[in-house]
Amino acid sequence: SQQGEEDPQALSIQEGENATMNCSYKTSINNLQWYRQNSGRGLVHLILIRSNEREKHSGRLRVTLDTSKKSSSLLITASRAADTASYFCATEAGATNKLIFGTGTLLAVQP
Amino acid sequence: DTEVTQTPKHLVMGMTNKKSLKCEQHMGHRAMYWYKQKAKKPPELMFVYSYEKLSINESVPSRFSPECPNSSLLNLHLHALQPEDSALYLCASSPQPAGGRYEQFFGPGTRLTVL
Repeated sequence: SQQGEEDPQALSIQEGENATMNCSYKTSINNLQWYRQNSGRGLVHLILIRSNEREKHSGRLRVTLDTSKKSSSLLITASRAADTASYFCATEAGATNKLIFGTGTLLAVQP
Repeated sequence: DTEVTQTPKHLVMGMTNKKSLKCEQHMGHRAMYWYKQKAKKPPELMFVYSYEKLSINESVPSRFSPECPNSSLLNLHLHALQPEDSALYLCASSPQPAGGRYEQFFGPGTRLTVL
């Protein structure tokens, strides 16, 4: 399936440290998105990176995309306790108009 | 208004009950989605509505019946559910039904428990 695999499954860091999450996928993509989900709540869109882009920034977020390796990473710099959440990558499965979510990384930022 | 609202927030139902979940958006989005999410798992797509027409059904059992009365509203009718259907049900919308090309806006979800 297209579903992305995320690594690590869980990550615990101290406030102020950087957090890096990785996503690998199986088929070619046009775009890759990252979402955040606070416990038991809806998802919030963080960033969309297109297949012809290699890096994108939004505030403390930095996303990279390596289409040759079929992988993406999300870096959160200077983390805060409020960044504690699950983070999912998502890709479109071919031209199906379906967004398929990766397995997710649970990030815990300790104050 | 950049919000997707869902009601109710919590729902407990027996296996013989009939209930409905409601989702609303006023952003003029033309695609709306239902997802199911089990604990510690990613959301799984159930249905996609494109311009108020059902365009994708991910082989969802018929005990789940979606409805899109107008471009702002999306319902999910539930009947004869099983305990394994207990999950967080998420509604989302996007400007166009273009899969990964647009961000999706999610509602807060309905936590469903089937007894």
